[in-house]
Amino acid sequence: TQLLEQSPQFLSIQEGENLTVYCNSSSVFSSLQWYRQEPGEGPVLLVTVVTGGEVKKLKRLTFQFGDARKDSSLHITAAQPGDTGLYLCAGASGSARQLTFGSGTQLTVLP
Amino acid sequence: EAQVTQNPRYLITVTGKKLTVTCSQNMNHEYMSWYRQDPGLGLRQIYYSMNVEVTDKGDVPEGYKVSRKEKRNFPLILESPSPNQTSLYFCASKSIGLARNEQFFGPGTRLTVL
Repeated sequence: TQLLEQSPQFLSIQEGENLTVYCNSSSVFSSLQWYRQEPGEGPVLLVTVVTGGEVKKLKRLTFQFGDARKDSSLHITAAQPGDTGLYLCAGASGSARQLTFGSGTQLTVLP
Repeated sequence: EAQVTQNPRYLITVTGKKLTVTCSQNMNHEYMSWYRQDPGLGLRQIYYSMNVEVTDKGDVPEGYKVSRKEKRNFPLILESPSPNQTSLYFCASKSIGLARNEQFFGPGTRLTVL
């Protein structure tokens, strides 16, 4: 079973601060995804990165896929209370591109 | 509206009493999957199906059964639930072959086994 480790597990910051969440594995993935989950709901896809070294931006969120396609990071600039949620990384592998999920980072942005 | 629905949303039951959690999607997706989410463990895949009548075990299939008789439905069956199956369960679906590989998740079913 492939494993994805996320860090930190919990993060509480003030509005306006920057933060980075990490997702690491010893396995190579064909692509890596980041999801955000809010209480009482299922995860919702934020981004998919496919190419080693790829960087994608989604407003204040920057996602990077490691050169070796084993790790990824999510950087949030000037965090806002609306960014609060559980962030999950997920690596895809196999013919069906099965997803292996990380344990998640619970982010709380305080006003 | 494109969506994945699950029922029930909440369920409290007792050890050994068979139960079924239903999952339905209206997006004509080939692929459907069940996950359980436990604190500190993320989402772990229970079973998945790549099309009608095709199902495969995920990482934690013990104690669960599934069936895929129709493309839109993928029920999760617990023949004899035990307390260690207390968890938050998510059904998901996706279209195979799209580069985005986006899975659409249902709202979750919170199961408590006493």
